[in-house]
Amino acid sequence: EVQLVESGGGLVQPGGSLRLSCAVSGFPFSSYEMSWVRQAPGKGLRWVAHISDSGRSIDYADSVKGRATISRDNAKNSLYLQMTSLRAEDTAVYYCARGHILTGRVFDYWGQGTLVTVSS
Amino acid sequence: SYELTQPPSVSVSPGQTARITCSADTLPEQYAYWYQQKPGQAPVLVIYKDTERPSRIPERFSGSSSGTTVTLTIRGVQAEDEADYYCQSTDRSGTSVIFGGGTKLAVL
Repeated sequence: EVQLVESGGGLVQPGGSLRLSCAVSGFPFSSYEMSWVRQAPGKGLRWVAHISDSGRSIDYADSVKGRATISRDNAKNSLYLQMTSLRAEDTAVYYCARGHILTGRVFDYWGQGTLVTVSS
Repeated sequence: SYELTQPPSVSVSPGQTARITCSADTLPEQYAYWYQQKPGQAPVLVIYKDTERPSRIPERFSGSSSGTTVTLTIRGVQAEDEADYYCQSTDRSGTSVIFGGGTKLAVL
């Protein structure tokens, strides 16, 4: 069974930093592209970042470019998102999502999400 | 940047057909994908590459494409289909992922 489990969310002060993790199981992690997608309370989905299966190719949404770092450890079956200089508008549920094997920019499995709240 | 435009809401009665549209100038060049999201749950992929349906998704879900508009059709709508539906595509380079604003499907 494919499973993605996010952790690391919580309350952070504006300007602070956070590292989110996503532990995966049930599929060959090193063969799949991965992304982070977020959803502000009561709002729609917004893509945050993408990483290739090897980790050598990375892309970011303009809204987080320069403040976010996506990475992966294929030996540990884990995906990460480091966020710095956090702002109130970064408050959201952050999902890790598996890229479809045919095209990595569509997501066939999602975790349940971890809530990040940026507030003083 | 570009946007995918969806209607905010669609209402249907049980057993009827629901159609949710998504429009953008890039859709003739890039595939569209559809997700269903129920309250408090993660999104679920229901249509990929405009018209393909994952094996675990019921046959009543289908997708179509015409020019700059893609459509998610749900035939014989059931109460359990009440959810938010999001279309998704990529920019012309295929790099940035874009989601539509979402459509709330109400089953009255």
